[in-house]
Amino acid sequence: KAGVTQTPRYLIKTRGQQVTLSCSPISGHRSVSWYQQTPGQGLQFLFEYFSETQRNKGNFPGRFSGRQFSNSRSEMNVSTLELGDSALYLCASSTGDRGGYEQYFGPGTRLTVT
Amino acid sequence: GENVEQHPSTLSVQEGDSAVIKCTYSDSASNYFPWYKQELGKGPQLIIDIRSNVGEKKDQRIAVTLNKTAKHFSLHITETQPEDSAVYFCAASGGWAGGTSYGKLTFGQGTILTVHP
Repeated sequence: KAGVTQTPRYLIKTRGQQVTLSCSPISGHRSVSWYQQTPGQGLQFLFEYFSETQRNKGNFPGRFSGRQFSNSRSEMNVSTLELGDSALYLCASSTGDRGGYEQYFGPGTRLTVT
Repeated sequence: GENVEQHPSTLSVQEGDSAVIKCTYSDSASNYFPWYKQELGKGPQLIIDIRSNVGEKKDQRIAVTLNKTAKHFSLHITETQPEDSAVYFCAASGGWAGGTSYGKLTFGQGTILTVHP
């Protein structure tokens, strides 16, 4: 089975711009979770989508949003970028159903805001 | 919300020695505890996990123990090899029974493990 894929792998944006990141989960997985990883704050949960619905949300401002499509692929969007948004953005997929605890991560998208 | 503390932040061992990383969590409702290994330029890789109805789980050179009463769990790596060098993260989740926390992993700050040949 192919693993979790994320595109693009690297991105450079300017403050004030917006960005969209994409995640394709493992075939058959219906849950996609997004995390932000920075040296200072570590790995922090952004949100989780299951069957096209946001099921869980972390403590991030409304500039961070996401969605999930009927094929389980997910996108996250960050509007009005700030320097502090520079980070590795990771998505993880799981079956999302009862007992399907395991989350498998993609390689991440490295976002640099200048 | 859940808080996970991980120690030590760095760990240096000689090849063949054992390595132990410890984590504590705050939310007694947490019932799923995975461990991830992250190598440079890669995403975290799930290496072992344990659920709250189990006290210990082993997979070859890796083992995890869980003490629900004390709210702590540990990763044990025996016969370490240079390729074990990486950053290791513990995490906790409420799993399905955790209701709104399902799908949300709370991570520790990570341990940089270096295995010297």
